[in-house]
Amino acid sequence: EDQVTQSPEALRLQEGESSSLNCSYTVSGLRGLFWYRQDPGKGPEFLFTLYSAGEEKEKERLKATLTKKESFLHITAPKPEDSATYLCAVRAGAGNMLTFGGGTRLMVKP
Amino acid sequence: GAVVSQHPSWVICKSGTSVKIECRSLDFQATTMFWYRQFPKQSLMLMATSNEGSKATYEQGVEKDKFLINHASLTLSTLTVTSAHPEDSSFYICSAKPGQGSEQYFGPGTRLTVT
Repeated sequence: EDQVTQSPEALRLQEGESSSLNCSYTVSGLRGLFWYRQDPGKGPEFLFTLYSAGEEKEKERLKATLTKKESFLHITAPKPEDSATYLCAVRAGAGNMLTFGGGTRLMVKP
Repeated sequence: GAVVSQHPSWVICKSGTSVKIECRSLDFQATTMFWYRQFPKQSLMLMATSNEGSKATYEQGVEKDKFLINHASLTLSTLTVTSAHPEDSSFYICSAKPGQGSEQYFGPGTRLTVT
């Protein structure tokens, strides 16, 4: 059974204080690891897709990396507007479904 | 690009009535659409997967007779909650997957409250 675990569950940062969010996964035949951002009362917003170990992608203050067991979402010099829940999901096997982790709720204080 | 809309954004209904939620892909054709349910401060739980023109595939524990899914076109899927009860109150989110890509793009969600 595919499993995705995100840590920490919640993270409080001061504005400008860089940090990383972790997504550990156990799957058979990874076909993609996805990062989403979700604001309260909204649907998830797509951020990145990573397909193979060693792959990295960047977007503004965010950088996602992937190893064979986990993915990190690095946030450099965060701003209050980066406050949101960050979700990690994997797609494995032959199907299209995503398995989501529990999310990390990020709060950035000015 | 890759915009998904949902309607309504919120709905309040009385126990025993049925509610229909629409999910539309606005700028792409979606061969596959997904319906999720999300409880407060919890992650997304997949309810069902639907492919255009065929019956939906429901996840274990999801009542297919209660949550009716129709994917009649490449841009529209509907979820009907039949004979709604207060325990069906939740945040329902759809997503759509373009035929050629692997990313899922999510709608803004529908807040259902059953009184």
